[in-house]
Amino acid sequence: GIQVEQSPPDLILQEGANSTLRCNFSDSVNNLQWFHQNPWGQLINLFYIPSGTKQNGRLSATTVATERYSLLYISSSQTTDSGVYFCAVVSNTDKLIFGTGTRLQVFP
Amino acid sequence: NAGVTQTPKFQVLKTGQSMTLQCAQDMNHEYMSWYRQDPGMGLRLIHYSVGAGITDQGEVPNGYNVSRSTTEDFPLRLLSAAPSQTSVYFCASSYSARASTEAFFGQGTRLTVV
Repeated sequence: GIQVEQSPPDLILQEGANSTLRCNFSDSVNNLQWFHQNPWGQLINLFYIPSGTKQNGRLSATTVATERYSLLYISSSQTTDSGVYFCAVVSNTDKLIFGTGTRLQVFP
Repeated sequence: NAGVTQTPKFQVLKTGQSMTLQCAQDMNHEYMSWYRQDPGMGLRLIHYSVGAGITDQGEVPNGYNVSRSTTEDFPLRLLSAAPSQTSVYFCASSYSARASTEAFFGQGTRLTVV
C-alpha cells in the first residue's frame, strides 16, 4: 500500500519562529489533508489540499502531486500551535492513510 | 450542527468483556470509518463504510465488527476485549461515497482494557 512519511518527527521552536513540515507519499493521491492534533487529543482539520496552495492565517500548505509531497508552513508560531501535525492521503485503494506525524513544541 | 459525535468519551473494560462504541454524524455523509491511535503513533484504519449496508476492512480489523444500518450511524463492536485493544478510537465521515472528499473526525473514545 501507499507509504506516507513525515519529517521532521520532532520540532522544538521558540515563539515567533517559522517552520516547514513535510509529507512525502509513495503513490499518486486524490486526497491529501493536514490535521492538527492538539494536546487534548482533538483532531482539527487544517487543509484539504490534493494539489495547489492554500493559506489560512499564519498557516499555509502546498501540495505538488506530481512530485508526491506536501508542505505545511507555520509562520510566527505561537504556543497554541503545539501538538502533533498529521498528513493523511487517499490513493486508489480509497482509504485515508495517515503519516506518523510531526510533534511540534513551541516555547514562550 | 453537531458534526461527528462519539460516545462514550472514556471507557474501562475488563478482558473478555464486550462493548459497542457509538458514532453518529448529522451531515448526511456517505463515507464513515473507524481508526485507532496508539501512543506516539498515527491513526490506523480499522473498518470503513461507503454507505448504508456496505462495510469493508481496513489495516487492523481483527477483533472488531461493524455494521451500517443507517447513513447516520456506524457503531464499532469489540466482541471480547483484549489489553492490546487499549487505544484511542476515532470515527470519521466524509461527504461522498469515496474517501477522496474531506474527512471530519469525532472527539475520540479513550478505551482501557485491564
